Amino acid sequence: TQLLEQSPQFLSIQEGENLTVYCNSSSVFSSLQWYRQEPGEGPVLLVTVVTGGEVKKLKRLTFQFGDARKDSSLHITAAQPGDTGLYLCADSGGSNYKLTFGKGTLLTVNP
Amino acid sequence: NAGVTQTPKFQVLKTGQSMTLQCAQDMNHNSMYWYRQDPGMGLRLIYYSASEGTTDKGEVPNGYNVSRLNKREFSLRLESAAPSQTSVYFCAGARAQGWELFFGDGSRLTVL
Repeated sequence: TQLLEQSPQFLSIQEGENLTVYCNSSSVFSSLQWYRQEPGEGPVLLVTVVTGGEVKKLKRLTFQFGDARKDSSLHITAAQPGDTGLYLCADSGGSNYKLTFGKGTLLTVNP
Repeated sequence: NAGVTQTPKFQVLKTGQSMTLQCAQDMNHNSMYWYRQDPGMGLRLIYYSASEGTTDKGEVPNGYNVSRLNKREFSLRLESAAPSQTSVYFCAGARAQGWELFFGDGSRLTVL
C-alpha cells in the first residue's frame, strides 16, 4: 500500500513570508495531484504533475516534482491570508480509479 | 451548475441508528467516490463506483454500504451507526480518464 508522507503537519506564518511544504512517497508516484481545502469545504485541485523534474507555477505557487518521482514540493511566495487551508497531496498509485491522499499540511497565514 | 451536492450537511445519530448520505452530481462524471476525513488521518476512501452499475470497496469499507442509483447519484448507507463512524464524509466525482476529483462540501456526522 502506497504511503504519502506530508511535512510539516502544521505551519503558521506571517503574511508576506515564503514557505515550502513537502510530499514524499514510499513508491514512485504515478500522477501526483495537489489539493487545497478551506474550512467547511471540500478539497479543490490546484495542479497535477506527471513528469520527473517537472515544475509548474500557479501565480505565487510553485510545484516541483522530484526527478525520481518519489517526492514533490509546494512553494508559496509572499503568503497571504487567503492561502490559509489544508494542503493535500494525492496519487493514484497506478490504480485506474483509486486516489490515495496524504494527511496534509495545515497552513495558517496571519495578517 | 451545482457541481457535487451532498445531503444532509449535518446529522446526529444515536448508536445503532441507520441513515443514508445522499450525493448527486451534474458534471457528467463517470466515477464517484465516498471518503471520510478524520483529524490526523487524512482522507480515506470508503467505496467508489468506477461507472454506473459498479461499486468497489476502498480502504475502510466496514460498516458501510453504497448504491450507484444512476449516473448522477451515489449514496452511502450506515446500517447500524457506531461512534467510530463520527466523521466528515465527502462525496467526489471524476471523469474516468481525467483523474481530477471534484468534491462536495461534506456531511458532518456525529454518532453518540
